[in-house]
Amino acid sequence: NAGVMQNPRHLVRRRGQEARLRCSPMKGHSHVYWYRQLPEEGLKFMVYLQKENIIDESGMPKERFSAEFPKEGPSILRIQQVVRGDSAAYFCASSPGTGQTGNTIYFGEGSWLTVV
Amino acid sequence: AQSVSQHNHHVILSEAASLELGCNYSYGGTVNLFWYVQYPGQHLQLLLKYFSGDPLVKGIKGFEAEFIKSKFSFNLRKPSVQWSDTAEYFCAVKDRGSTLGRLYFGRGTQLTVWP
Repeated sequence: NAGVMQNPRHLVRRRGQEARLRCSPMKGHSHVYWYRQLPEEGLKFMVYLQKENIIDESGMPKERFSAEFPKEGPSILRIQQVVRGDSAAYFCASSPGTGQTGNTIYFGEGSWLTVV
Repeated sequence: AQSVSQHNHHVILSEAASLELGCNYSYGGTVNLFWYVQYPGQHLQLLLKYFSGDPLVKGIKGFEAEFIKSKFSFNLRKPSVQWSDTAEYFCAVKDRGSTLGRLYFGRGTQLTVWP
């Protein structure tokens, strides 16, 4: 859904550099999710954030990866000291919230990271 | 944690053939179910979703899915596929009892439709 904006769409980094991926959720959405899609695999959950809070980071690698969703501005997924295995598509998604009705999650167009 | 299985990794059909893609999940509680489609180089688009009510759900582009609770299944169907349906299809499940809101995805099924 074009409402979730991600940038950059494509990013090339050399091994050891840092990658920063940005995501602006749909208007009115306060919940942000990051997923990673490796070649030939489905989407794997990484982290779930609300404004200024990390709610669930059980899918995040323990080292080099971090995420934030500040009070103002987009959510940032940061990968330090990238390695070739980090090459993947990173999708951001947003929803207005959770709850028993199960709000639908909308995805952005993804950021394709290539580590050379 | 949920486990979502999509039985076919790659399906090849001719135009006008009927399609059924299987999806099974592991959790026995109350779930929300989704099918997403991803065209090459694009983001995931929601095809259809099931929250409650009629277990036969109709989505966009002529797709439908049937939730069979006893089989933990949510298979996607289309009576007559088109070349433009070539894409990757993902089944996803969300635990309604969880406040975390995360989706669990299947590995995906690549559909190739020959004209």
